[in-house]
Amino acid sequence: QKEVEQNSGPLSVPEGAIASLNCTYSDRGSQSFFWYRQYSGKSPELIMFIYSNGDKEDGRFTAQLNKASQYVSLLIRDSQPSDSATYLCAVASGSARQLTFGSGTQLTVLP
Amino acid sequence: DAEITQSPRHKITETGRQVTLACHQTWNHNNMFWYRQDLGHGLRLIHYSYGVQDTNKGEVSDGYSVSRSNTEDLPLTLESAASSQTSVYFCASGDRGGNEQFFGPGTRLTVL
Repeated sequence: QKEVEQNSGPLSVPEGAIASLNCTYSDRGSQSFFWYRQYSGKSPELIMFIYSNGDKEDGRFTAQLNKASQYVSLLIRDSQPSDSATYLCAVASGSARQLTFGSGTQLTVLP
Repeated sequence: DAEITQSPRHKITETGRQVTLACHQTWNHNNMFWYRQDLGHGLRLIHYSYGVQDTNKGEVSDGYSVSRSNTEDLPLTLESAASSQTSVYFCASGDRGGNEQFFGPGTRLTVL
C-alpha cells in the first residue's frame, strides 16, 4: 500500500511570512512529485512538480525533494491571504502516472 | 480552449440505484482518471485508463466500473449505489508525459 503523509494542520502564518508544508512517501519507486492547491469547493490545480533531488523554484514557490529521506516539501515565500487553501502532496508511479495523494494541509494566511 | 467537464455537478440518488457520472475532455489526453475525495482521506484513485479500450483498477475500485470507447470520455458507473459512496468525485486527464493532470470541476454525489 503506497502511502503519502502530510501534516493535516491547520497551519496559520501571518501575511508576508514563509509557509512550510511537508510530505513523506512510502514507495521508493516513486518517479515524480506534485503539489496541488485546492480552494474550498473547487478542484485541485497544479502548483509545481519535481523529479530530481534538490530545490526547484517558481516565483514565490519552492519545492524540495530528498529521495533518500523520501521527503518532499513546499515553501511559500511572502505568503498572501490568497494563498489560503488546502495543499495536496501527490506522488506519481506507473506508466499512466497514477497519483497517490496525501490528505492535505490546510493553510491560512492571516492579513 | 481545451477543457475537462463533468456532469452532473450534483446528484442525489437512492441506495441500490445505478448511477453514471460523465467525464469529457478535449485535451486529447491518453490518460484519464477518476478519484473520490472524502474528509480525512484526500483524493483516492478509483479507476484509470491509458487509452481507448484500456481500463485499470485503482485503490478503491469496488462497486465502480468504467469503460473507454473513445479518447474524450470516461464515464464512471456505480452499479448499485451505497451510502458509503457519498462523496465528491473528480475526473482528471493527462498526457503520456505525465507532467500534469488536469482536473474537472467535480460531481457531488449523495446516496440516501
